[in-house]
Amino acid sequence: DQQVKQNSPSLSVQEGRISILNCDYTNSMFDYFLWYKKYPAEGPTFLISISSIKDKNEDGRFTVFLNKSAKHLSLHIVPSQPGDSAVYFCAASGSTASKLTFGTGTRLQVTL
Amino acid sequence: DTAVSQTPKYLVTQMGNDKSIKCEQNLGHDTMYWYKQDSKKFLKIMFSYNNKELIINETVPNRFSPKSPDKAHLNLHINSLELGDSAVYFCASGVGGTGDEKLFFGSGTQLSVL
Repeated sequence: DQQVKQNSPSLSVQEGRISILNCDYTNSMFDYFLWYKKYPAEGPTFLISISSIKDKNEDGRFTVFLNKSAKHLSLHIVPSQPGDSAVYFCAASGSTASKLTFGTGTRLQVTL
Repeated sequence: DTAVSQTPKYLVTQMGNDKSIKCEQNLGHDTMYWYKQDSKKFLKIMFSYNNKELIINETVPNRFSPKSPDKAHLNLHINSLELGDSAVYFCASGVGGTGDEKLFFGSGTQLSVL
């Protein structure tokens, strides 16, 4: 049962443009949503998170939007840079950090 | 200094063997985890330990036995390895707080069972 879904396995964006990565979830009990970024041969690194009581959180070039009624969140990267090329995992959590449920990831390629 | 380090990075072994993966964190965190990324790229939690105590065991076969000698270490021992155990295993640590806390992951151990 896949509770967190990332339906786009890959995305290619030109440098300087906006990258939009999408994520859907099925469990309405999730309290937090997180994005992790992963480079090859490295572990995932935390990028940004949002609480279920908010609809937007921004950190520099990264903004996460949450639409609870649609059970959908998205990560916007503006402007995209070549160093942003990585796999992005959406994850969801309950009230404690005891268990993160991950999506399957979207590979972002930022081209020159 | 690497915050979460796991060894070995690659592990190739025959079916039926027993192997261990070690993990250490120098962040002073109370909680450590093992995650498994299978061939379909799902990252799934296997175990969670808080201060050496098992908190989560996600229906992992009992061939997998985590061991936490102290809160900075969480090792994973796997008995009687099977082909289906081939995956990348990630260790992680965190303070064990609210659900939005960031976890720190090791760089992974790619296990190949032949």
